[in-house]
Amino acid sequence: NAGVTQTPKFRILKIGQSMTLQCTQDMNHNYMYWYRQDPGMGLKLIYYSVGAGITDKGEVPNGYNVSRSTTEDFPLRLELAAPSQTSVYFCASSSPGQEYEQYFGPGTRLTVT
Amino acid sequence: GQSLEQPSEVTAVEGAIVQINCTYQTSGFYGLSWYQQHDGGAPTFLSYNGLDGLEETGRFSSFLSRSDSYGYLLLQELQMKDSASYFCAVRDRVSSASKIIFGSGTRLSIRP
Repeated sequence: NAGVTQTPKFRILKIGQSMTLQCTQDMNHNYMYWYRQDPGMGLKLIYYSVGAGITDKGEVPNGYNVSRSTTEDFPLRLELAAPSQTSVYFCASSSPGQEYEQYFGPGTRLTVT
Repeated sequence: GQSLEQPSEVTAVEGAIVQINCTYQTSGFYGLSWYQQHDGGAPTFLSYNGLDGLEETGRFSSFLSRSDSYGYLLLQELQMKDSASYFCAVRDRVSSASKIIFGSGTRLSIRP
């Protein structure tokens, strides 16, 4: 039982490049989330999904896109990378009705230069 | 809108007790969660208060007062491994029941 896995662990992008951050969970959780965490700060919600085919914006969605074709996978797409997107990205999942107890992946540390 | 306030840093001595406070402002409110995050690691869930009162889990306890829009995390018999950041998070009723909002975190440093 791996929980929530994320790839890659680290990535350096040039301005204007695109990439997809992968997230997979094996706990059969309906709810999945993407957060970003800037140094010394809390987590900001980017996008979330309550099930396959359903996604919604969080606090800071600009510059990102998501899709949810299966219960297990919730990839996050950066289309035109900007230095402001340098951050640590965490994917999380939870059961319906238990949004207060989220399980987090190990994170992806992204630098845009 | 929603806002959460917690101290940015707290220092305590090994073996002692420390309390980390959290006050919140939301238009609707379901409950208050606490998460721990070690440097370079991922947040991990510690506790949840959906009702007023104290919840105890081993050395950690969490308290909620809805009337005061206030909660705290109490850590007893502090160990060096408790050095980490601690985040409170509110489960908000207004916009959606499907997400929580995190505070900026309290960095706890333990001295021998």
